[in-house]
This record gives sequence, structure tokens and C-alpha cells, in this order.
Amino acid sequence: AQKVTQAQTEISVVEKEDVTLDCVYETRDTTYYLFWYKQPPSGELVFLIRRNSFDEQNEISGRYSWNFQKSTSSFNFTITASQVVDSAVYFCALSPAPYNQGGKLIFGQGTELSVKP
Amino acid sequence: DTGVSQNPRHKITKRGQNVTFRCDPISEHNRLYWYRQTLGQGPEFLTYFQNEAQLEKSRLLSDRFSAERPKGSFSTLEIQRTEQGDSAMYLCASSRGQATTDTQYFGPGTRLTVL
Repeated sequence: AQKVTQAQTEISVVEKEDVTLDCVYETRDTTYYLFWYKQPPSGELVFLIRRNSFDEQNEISGRYSWNFQKSTSSFNFTITASQVVDSAVYFCALSPAPYNQGGKLIFGQGTELSVKP
Repeated sequence: DTGVSQNPRHKITKRGQNVTFRCDPISEHNRLYWYRQTLGQGPEFLTYFQNEAQLEKSRLLSDRFSAERPKGSFSTLEIQRTEQGDSAMYLCASSRGQATTDTQYFGPGTRLTVL
């Protein structure tokens, strides 16, 4: 079975705090992709990052960073010096062998992040 | 490129009525996906198209649901004899459909309320 678990339903922080959103996935596939999407109050899912299963290098993009660890099946997302505009629901998603299997996304339940001024 | 567009953005209907939603993908994207998202949950896959061919359907897609992509461009999702349980956000996404790059870009969604 393929599954994504985001155990944190809601997180509330004060502006400028660092915050980490956890994501744990389950799959038997050796080839897969992991994604993070942001869903602001407007509702549209915004793509943040894609990582394939063969690339365990951590990635940093501005205030965002991602930690991928195959040994623990985790793909955590950290926002450094959070801002009010970061308030949104964040989804982690899993996609098996994209080209051969259509690339459908399996989403976690999401973590609602609230950043207060 | 313009993004994925969906119409209408909101639809309120009475139980038993039929509704149809439209999705226009990003130009030259070969794959088109439909997802459903209920309150407090992540999106759930419904179906996807590679060009005009519908290649996979989730068991969530009951017989009352039908999706088409007649010319490999825009797609429609129809729900017949709507039920209150169909109330949800219906999201459309598109991707290039290449082997190494398959990021899905989402539209703003159509929020359906069945009274």
C-alpha cells in the first residue's frame, strides 16, 4: 500500500520562528517521487518541490529547506524565519514511477500552518 | 504560459441534478488529472488522461461520474444525479507527461455544494 502521513494537523508559530513540517511515506516501489505543495486560503495548490527517490541530497531554496531520508521514509520541510504569508495548508505527496504509472499523486492530510505577527 | 483554469469556480445545485465542470490545462501539457478534496483532507485522485485517452480511474469514481477529454485539450467532469456526499472541491491538474519531469500544476478548483 502507498500512503503519506502528516501527523501534525495544525501548527501555530510566531513570526520569525523556524518551523518543521513532518512527512512520512510508505511505498514498496524503488522508484518514486515526493512533492510538497502549498494551499493558501485562496485554495489553489502551489507546487514547491519535487524530489526523486534516488536523490537524497537536501535542498535549500531561500527560507525553505527539505530533508529527505530514505532510511526513515521521511521528507520533512523546514521554513526558516517564518512570515505571516507562509500561513497555509501544506501537503506532502507521493507519486510512484511517474511515467509508467501515470504519476497520480497520493497526498497526506495536510498540515495547517498559522504564522502570527 | 497561463496556468490551469477551471470553470465554474463555484457551483450550488440541488440533490439529483446533473453538473458539469470544465478544465483547461496548461498549453501543450499531455496529461490531465482530476482530484477531489473534501474539507480538512488532502486531494484524492479520481482519474487521468494522456492526451485524449482516459488511462486510469479510481474506485472513487462511481458510475455517476464521467470525464472526457475529446480532443486532448480541455476536459469535462460530469456528475449525474448529485448527492450531498458529492459536495467537495474538484481540482484539475496538468503535466507535460515526459518520463523525467512530471510535476503537476493545479488549477483553482471548482467548489461544489449539493443541497
